[in-house]
Amino acid sequence: GENVEQHPSTLSVQEGDSAVIKCTYSDSASNYFPWYKQELGKRPQLIIDIRSNVGEKKDQRIAVTLNKTAKHFSLHITETQPEDSAVYFCAALNQAGTALIFGKGTTLSVSS
Amino acid sequence: ETGVTQSPTHLIKTRGQQVTLRCSSQSGHNTVSWYQQALGQGPQFIFQYYREEENGRGNFPPRFSGLQFPNYSSELNVNALELDDSALYLCAYYSTRGEQFFGPGTRLTVL
Repeated sequence: GENVEQHPSTLSVQEGDSAVIKCTYSDSASNYFPWYKQELGKRPQLIIDIRSNVGEKKDQRIAVTLNKTAKHFSLHITETQPEDSAVYFCAALNQAGTALIFGKGTTLSVSS
Repeated sequence: ETGVTQSPTHLIKTRGQQVTLRCSSQSGHNTVSWYQQALGQGPQFIFQYYREEENGRGNFPPRFSGLQFPNYSSELNVNALELDDSALYLCAYYSTRGEQFFGPGTRLTVL
């Protein structure tokens, strides 16, 4: 079935460093790839997304890249801050367009 | 935050019982999805409702059922609760751009 793999499962960086989280997906028909940030005890919050007709999208310190040929997409956070500490989930929309298939999450810790 | 509300916030049930969880959106979107998030995992798709009809279903047994009402609010019903049903249950509404925004979730504990 459809699957999304996410790496690494944990990531520790110093404040000001960059962080990169990578995902691969199995369904070549997927065309929408959102990223969610989930703080402890809270709901997943959409932070950025990308559609298959573009290769890169930026929003301030956050960027997402997509390689459709390799079925890879990545989240890049620059100039990390302690408030970036959270669990980050990548997802891919299934072929039917009804369900987001999520990765297992990356716990990002930013130390000051 | 997103205008999506869920009730109750927390719930404790025992094995074999039945539970109903509720979700609504201030904006009255016509598409709602439900997800189960076990501890330490990503959300897993349960099903989607569009204009009161089930429009897609994940790998969940029939004891997970749902409803969507004319005002587009929604319910998730789970019968014959099992210990593994303990999880955070999230509903999500779609924006006009197709983005999914989650409600705050209901934390279900099955003892």
